[in-house]
Amino acid sequence: DAGITQSPRHKVTETGTPVTLRCHQTENHRYMYWYRQDPGHGLRLIHYSYGVKDTDKGEVSDGYSVSRSKTEDFLLTLESATSSQTSVYFCAISESDRNTGELFFGEGSRLTVL
Amino acid sequence: QQQVKQSPQSLIVQKGGISIINCAYENTAFDYFPWYQQFPGKGPALLIAIRPDVSEKKEGRFTISFNKSAKQFSLHIMDSQPGDSATYFCAATGFQKLVFGTGTRLLVSP
Repeated sequence: DAGITQSPRHKVTETGTPVTLRCHQTENHRYMYWYRQDPGHGLRLIHYSYGVKDTDKGEVSDGYSVSRSKTEDFLLTLESATSSQTSVYFCAISESDRNTGELFFGEGSRLTVL
Repeated sequence: QQQVKQSPQSLIVQKGGISIINCAYENTAFDYFPWYQQFPGKGPALLIAIRPDVSEKKEGRFTISFNKSAKQFSLHIMDSQPGDSATYFCAATGFQKLVFGTGTRLLVSP
């Protein structure tokens, strides 16, 4: 158990409203990731972090921002949600700084934008 | 643009049969190739992984075959069981970022 908690697990919101998803880890792992999962697309990287205040964009970062003010928390924000952002969002951590490709995923946050 | 191409999209296999999922990549900077298994309502979980200097890796009923020159790799599930029914993702990593294939939904019929 990698100790990853995502909140909320389910959210329904309306177009144009801001949404923040939270990922919390109980360890002090350096790397944290946000992915979205959509049918036909697999999992696509939105943003990732390699330390407090150190973040970088993934392949589908438009419309999303992230923040990491503490090692244990990685926040994903949709400033103005759109229907195309309806998805299941997964947070993941890497327990190693080496490039092993081994990530531990949270249970996911299902977001519906009406 | 999918950096890792995965096929088939779905697969039905009889219990006891062999399940085969194939993936191909273009970026030669990738240096680690994991496979993830995902059950409905859960996050993906690492199943097995391989480095490109190894041509095959076996863990129990799961085997990865890797062809570096062809830039292809595949997952074989031997003696497939109904409990193996899940979605499988191949992936490739470089520079601490993991890129996934589009997934294969496997159904093992009893």
